[in-house]
Amino acid sequence: ETGVTQSPTHLIKTRGQQVTLRCSSQSGHNTVSWYQQALGQGPQFIFQYYREEENGRGNFPPRFSGLQFPNYSSELNVNALELDDSALYLCASSLRGSDEQYFGPGTRLTVT
Amino acid sequence: GDSVTQMEGPVTLSEEAFLTINCTYTATGYPSLFWYVQYPGEGLQLLLKATKADDKGSNKGFEATYRKETTSFHLEKGSVQVSDSAVYFCALSDRGRGGSEKLVFGKGTKLTVNP
Repeated sequence: ETGVTQSPTHLIKTRGQQVTLRCSSQSGHNTVSWYQQALGQGPQFIFQYYREEENGRGNFPPRFSGLQFPNYSSELNVNALELDDSALYLCASSLRGSDEQYFGPGTRLTVT
Repeated sequence: GDSVTQMEGPVTLSEEAFLTINCTYTATGYPSLFWYVQYPGEGLQLLLKATKADDKGSNKGFEATYRKETTSFHLEKGSVQVSDSAVYFCALSDRGRGGSEKLVFGKGTKLTVNP
């Protein structure tokens, strides 16, 4: 069984740029959620995707967007990067209807 | 909205000491409750869960009991090891419209165990 993988591991961007982060779900899982974890804080829910559609969203602006593909992998896109977007971005996969989510190792984004 | 409050750290213990990390929650329904662990430089790992009142979740010597009357889910371990050093997060599941299931986390408690 393959776990959740994310790429890249680390990323440095400049304020105003755009970034795309990638996630591959654990095999057998059909739902993907994205979380933002600022330094010293707990993860905050960004959104969830199921059947290639956004299926729930946290308190994040529209410049945070996502995609889910037919193989259940997913992307998180952030436009017009701000310094406060610097964080660890975590992807979690799950089976629809289950409350258990399994996390990837995360992508550390630094915005300068 | 739903929220989780957990004991702030850091917590420093000697090996074989008893561990308690307090967690309380606020929720409108009856969420499942979780403890996740994050080792340095890694993502979150599910440590244990409980789905209803009086359920006890357990794994690797860690235990937590879902207490509806006190809205608590405290994490305990009888004898900690150096390898337990990590950040521990309490979380609840929040089911939204359309069936989405998000996790609401506490701020985390950093545990350091010294030999």
